[in-house]
Amino acid sequence: SYELTQPPSVSVSPGQTARITCSGDALPKQYAYWYQQKPGQAPVLVIYKDSERPSGIPERFSGSSSGTTVTLTISGVQAEDEADYYCQSADSSGTVFGGGTKLTVL
Amino acid sequence: EVQLVESGGGLVQPGGSLRLSCAASGFTFSSYWMSWVRQAPGKGLEWVANIKQDGSEKYYVDSVKGRFTISRDNAKNSLYLQMNSLRAEDTAVYYCARDLTGQWLGFDPWGQGTLVTVSS
Repeated sequence: SYELTQPPSVSVSPGQTARITCSGDALPKQYAYWYQQKPGQAPVLVIYKDSERPSGIPERFSGSSSGTTVTLTISGVQAEDEADYYCQSADSSGTVFGGGTKLTVL
Repeated sequence: EVQLVESGGGLVQPGGSLRLSCAASGFTFSSYWMSWVRQAPGKGLEWVANIKQDGSEKYYVDSVKGRFTISRDNAKNSLYLQMNSLRAEDTAVYYCARDLTGQWLGFDPWGQGTLVTVSS
């Protein structure tokens, strides 16, 4: 079955830039979506179609794509950005989520 | 305000059944694919099932095929998940979510989730 691979954890200091990657064979052919999930809360869509930002999402969140890897970039990380982040994409068998990356703000 | 509110979770014994509900408001429910996504304790997100706008198409993850049934009532702006033959591995928070794209991608918003615990 199709898989999306994310690093389990990423750590950055406040004000620095965090980059979270997501790799999958179908990513060159299908858009990726990113979700933020804080403890005890439901996921929130933060990036759609690889690099588009929904209304209400801070400009410091951005997305990019290159080959089989997509990247969520958070510029000027703030303490409130500490959360789990999941990528999502799809292939012919359906939709799939990456395993998630825990972003720690030091 | 666009909102989804789940209900129906609880403690159930292995082999038992449970029916989850999701009440939608603030948008034209009948215009969107809808999905159920679950999250086992301390684990990641897993898509469970989805249903087309008019209910004519339904899809499931392999692990729940034949046990779970997704349905909707557009007149009541409601989504359902009937879960039968429950197993310990079905223990999770279950979220309903609106599919923005119609391509099984871009879920927004999500409900607050309802916890299903399968244990004796």
